Amino acid sequence: GEDVEQSLFLSVREGDSSVINCTYTDSSSTYLYWYKQEPGAGLQLLTYIFSNMDMKQDQRLTVLLNKKDKHLSLRIADTQTGDSAIYFCAERGGYQKVTFGTGTKLQVIP
Amino acid sequence: EAQVTQNPRYLITVTGKKLTVTCSQNMNHEYMSWYRQDPGLGLRQIYYSMNVEVTDKGDVPEGYKVSRKEKRNFPLILESPSPNQTSLYFCATTVGAGYNEQFFGPGTRLTVL
Repeated sequence: GEDVEQSLFLSVREGDSSVINCTYTDSSSTYLYWYKQEPGAGLQLLTYIFSNMDMKQDQRLTVLLNKKDKHLSLRIADTQTGDSAIYFCAERGGYQKVTFGTGTKLQVIP
Repeated sequence: EAQVTQNPRYLITVTGKKLTVTCSQNMNHEYMSWYRQDPGLGLRQIYYSMNVEVTDKGDVPEGYKVSRKEKRNFPLILESPSPNQTSLYFCATTVGAGYNEQFFGPGTRLTVL
């Protein structure tokens, strides 16, 4: 079946850039997503990218997609303490089937 | 306000005692699903429903049942809970078109002793 992998933990200093990486196996992915989970809450969609795009920028967020290597990354510029959360990569393959990664816990050090 | 609600938010129970976790949405979405979140495993889909009276197994359906009698409700039923079902459960709904953003409920933390 489909597999989505992320590193479990990332620590950065406030004001630095954070880069969270994700690899996936499904070559028929149509959309790829980044969700954010704050403590004690459900997931919220941060951004998404269509599979025929290489890059998408949305304010402090930059998503890069390398479809050949099946690699997705999320860059957060000027990381703030409020960005501390768990970030999930997800990919949509067949009809409505979304597979989530393991999540990366981002710790922002003041 | 667009919402996905789950009840209860927290539950401690004992092995074998049947329980139901409710999920309700007010967005008129057709697609609903249940996930469980476990450390190091991310979110895994338990069951999903594409519409009323249409349900199907996700990746980890064993030990769970669902029903979809109305569009807005999608309860998760554990007929005989076991300790390995201790987890954080999320209900999610999807609009079913375009980029298919999923809207998640606040989660239900279940402990089975």
